Amino acid sequence: KAGVTQTPRYLIKTRGQQVTLSCSPISGHRSVSWYQQTPGQGLQFLFEYFSETQRNKGNFPGRFSGRQFSNSRSEMNVSTLELGDSALYLCASRGRIGPSPLHFGNGTRLTVT
Amino acid sequence: KNEVEQSPQNLTAQEGEFITINCSYSVGISALHWLQQHPGGGIVSLFMLSSGKKKHGRLIATINIQEKHSSLHITASHPRDSAVYICAATGNTGNQFYFGTGTSLTVIP
Repeated sequence: KAGVTQTPRYLIKTRGQQVTLSCSPISGHRSVSWYQQTPGQGLQFLFEYFSETQRNKGNFPGRFSGRQFSNSRSEMNVSTLELGDSALYLCASRGRIGPSPLHFGNGTRLTVT
Repeated sequence: KNEVEQSPQNLTAQEGEFITINCSYSVGISALHWLQQHPGGGIVSLFMLSSGKKKHGRLIATINIQEKHSSLHITASHPRDSAVYICAATGNTGNQFYFGTGTSLTVIP
């Protein structure tokens, strides 16, 4: 089975721009969750989607949004980029809601200049 | 205070040593995860447990629900074990995720 695929791997954007990141889950997984990782804050939960519905959201401003398509692929969008948005963005898929192992992608490293 | 606390933050060990990383949590959980992250970013899920103990090769994870504490042990450590180990908790509803700040492990040959 192919793993979780995130694109692109690296991205450089300018303050004020917007960015869209993509995540393709493991085949058959309907849950996709997104995380931000920075040296200062560590891993932080952004949101989770299951069957195209957002199930939960972490404590991030509305500039961070996401969606999930019928094939379970998910996109995350950050608008009006700030320098502090520079981070590694990871997504993970799991086979079901509730206690189940998380399968992570390799992440997208976003640099905002 | 973070919902999940890990210790130590950094750990250096000689090859062959027995290593323990600790994790305490303050929220109700449905599962506790141990994750491994190598330089470059990719995260691998090592264990998911809600009670007792699990073993995979040289790695052992335990959890004490009453004390809200979990440990990850590495026996006969090897330089390839060098990585960041992250403790994570799935909240009671299964919808929320809490992460420790990670333990950076370096195993010296």
